[in-house]
Amino acid sequence: GAVVSQHPSRVICKSGTSVKIECRSLDFQATTMFWYRQFPKKSLMLMATSNEGSKATYEQGVEKDKFLINHASLTLSTLTVTSAHPEDSSFYICSARTLAGFQETQYFGPGTRLLVL
Amino acid sequence: QKEVEQDPGPLSVPEGAIVSLNCTYSNSAFQYFMWYRQYSRKGPELLMYTYSSGNKEDGRFTAQVDKSSKYISLFIRDSQPSDSATYLCAMSRSSNTGKLIFGQGTTLQVKP
Repeated sequence: GAVVSQHPSRVICKSGTSVKIECRSLDFQATTMFWYRQFPKKSLMLMATSNEGSKATYEQGVEKDKFLINHASLTLSTLTVTSAHPEDSSFYICSARTLAGFQETQYFGPGTRLLVL
Repeated sequence: QKEVEQDPGPLSVPEGAIVSLNCTYSNSAFQYFMWYRQYSRKGPELLMYTYSSGNKEDGRFTAQVDKSSKYISLFIRDSQPSDSATYLCAMSRSSNTGKLIFGQGTTLQVKP
């Protein structure tokens, strides 16, 4: 159980275009999902917290107009990178929070590798 | 100073060795501690979850938390080549927000 999928797994786009990444919890409902960014050989950096039915909460330094997040259902959150530029190239990972008894954990998706030319 | 410090390695050991991975942290408010394993170009996979101080064992993996020293460890017994990956420690202040603070990750290579 606790499977999180992401689509696409890899995307290459031209500078100035927008890219949408989907994150789905396949076998559980997630009221909260998180979006991370990871640079090569670096740790995960939290970008924003996505709550179902409400606006996302962005971390300091993350442009909310640049990285649009929509959490329309309990199993789907989307991240749209608007007007992408080469510096947006990165590995984007989502996670979904779930409660198992009293234990709260996050399960991560497989990641989406974005390359902006 | 980073909130969570983790030696990036790389750490290379022979198959069958006992591996010790560690993280230190500065914020005494952290209460929930996790270890994730990440294979190259994949998302992190939850290995161990502990709350507060103490030990937790799951198969070949043992997680230890020493809150007085602000130090957590992951031990891998009888290491296998398939254990070769990057291991990330993560921690949070509260279970309610779910905001995790990650270490940099330690790259482990187990040689056959």
